[in-house]
Amino acid sequence: AQTVTQSQPEMSVQEAETVTLSCTYDTSESNYYLFWYKQPPSRQMILVIRQEAYKQQNATENRFSVNFQKAAKSFSLKISDSQLGDTAMYFCAFRGNTPLVFGKGTRLSVIA
Amino acid sequence: DSGVTQTPKHLITATGQRVTLRCSPRSGDLSVYWYQQSLDQGLQFLIHYYNGEERAKGNILERFSAQQFPDLHSELNLSSLELGDSALYFCASTTSRDGDEQFFGPGTRLTVL
Repeated sequence: AQTVTQSQPEMSVQEAETVTLSCTYDTSESNYYLFWYKQPPSRQMILVIRQEAYKQQNATENRFSVNFQKAAKSFSLKISDSQLGDTAMYFCAFRGNTPLVFGKGTRLSVIA
Repeated sequence: DSGVTQTPKHLITATGQRVTLRCSPRSGDLSVYWYQQSLDQGLQFLIHYYNGEERAKGNILERFSAQQFPDLHSELNLSSLELGDSALYFCASTTSRDGDEQFFGPGTRLTVL
């Protein structure tokens, strides 16, 4: 079964700085998708970024980018120019032949 | 706003009772997924429907059931409720059968007293 591990339960970053959230996963599949979801205090699950495993180029969405290392089964999220509104839980998720499998989450606090 | 709606937003009930949670997917989306988010178990997949048919089951208890109707809305039925069923229940929808990008509703907060 696929597993997703987020080794950092909590992190903090100063406003305007850069922070990287870690995620590793375990799978024997070769075709799959990886996602980062954000859950602010409102509890809404918001898709931040997605990566197809067959694409070597790392995905980027404005201030959010990923470092996808397929051989190492690593999928980290980098947030540049952190803003107060980035304060949230961040979940890494995997989808292969099974529906989404989520990590336990990383609670990110952006400090003014 | 993801376009996925869930009702009710909050639900408080007693042990042993039965409740129904409702989800309306985004316009045009055929797939509906249900997830449970609890403090101890995290986010867990419960069940997936595509165009009215059950596609996959996850960690869904036998006391729980779901269905997707012809108008594509879905209902999650929870019966013989226990304290441990208190959680946030999300539905998500996607256009495709296999759901590579899912859009989540705002969730229903269930509290069992």
